[in-house]
Amino acid sequence: EAQVTQNPRYLITVTGKKLTVTCSQNMNHEYMSWYRQDPGLGLRQIYYSMNVEVTDKGDVPEGYKVSRKEKRNFPLILESPSPNQTSLYFCASSAGGVGEQYFGPGTRLTVT
Amino acid sequence: DQQVKQNSPSLSVQEGRISILNCDYTNSMFDYFLWYKKYPAEGPTFLISISSIKDKNEDGRFTVFLNKSAKHLSLHIVPSQPGDSAVYFCAARSGYQLIWGAGTKLIIKP
Repeated sequence: EAQVTQNPRYLITVTGKKLTVTCSQNMNHEYMSWYRQDPGLGLRQIYYSMNVEVTDKGDVPEGYKVSRKEKRNFPLILESPSPNQTSLYFCASSAGGVGEQYFGPGTRLTVT
Repeated sequence: DQQVKQNSPSLSVQEGRISILNCDYTNSMFDYFLWYKKYPAEGPTFLISISSIKDKNEDGRFTVFLNKSAKHLSLHIVPSQPGDSAVYFCAARSGYQLIWGAGTKLIIKP
């Protein structure tokens, strides 16, 4: 089954404790992206990757890191989480650039 | 400054009637527009799209209209069904990014 998986689905952590949210897709898609969703703001792009070893900032990259060492995986790293990073995070992938993206189920992160 | 706006946070429609969801944008350089549907506790799923060189695209019960002069996009759902109750997002492509609206919650009443 074609899918994008994210782990964990829910995470509660404390300020400053490094964390990683994993994202994996099994569709051999070149393009992958991370978004955060906040009430009244829709989805905002954090980082995206056009292919292996090619990443670029989206609209809200501050406080986040990503890497793309393999085509299928695109982890999101929060080196020192802060309460303003409490949000719902989505990973997405698409074939051949930005178009119809397939989304993971989301990761709800709470930073206290 | 939001480049893509969905001004109606929610919309309630009778089952069987037409649902019309609206989206406005400010950037005339957007070349592709998409609608996504989202159920609670799930990621968004792609619904329908339209290129900026077209003014209409139809897929079954779903039709998207694009009015470039007004910088306005709309999604029509006919007839509306209970399973259409969800949050609908419009998104516009700019280079390698999608810019998203805040979403409209559609409620289909029996």
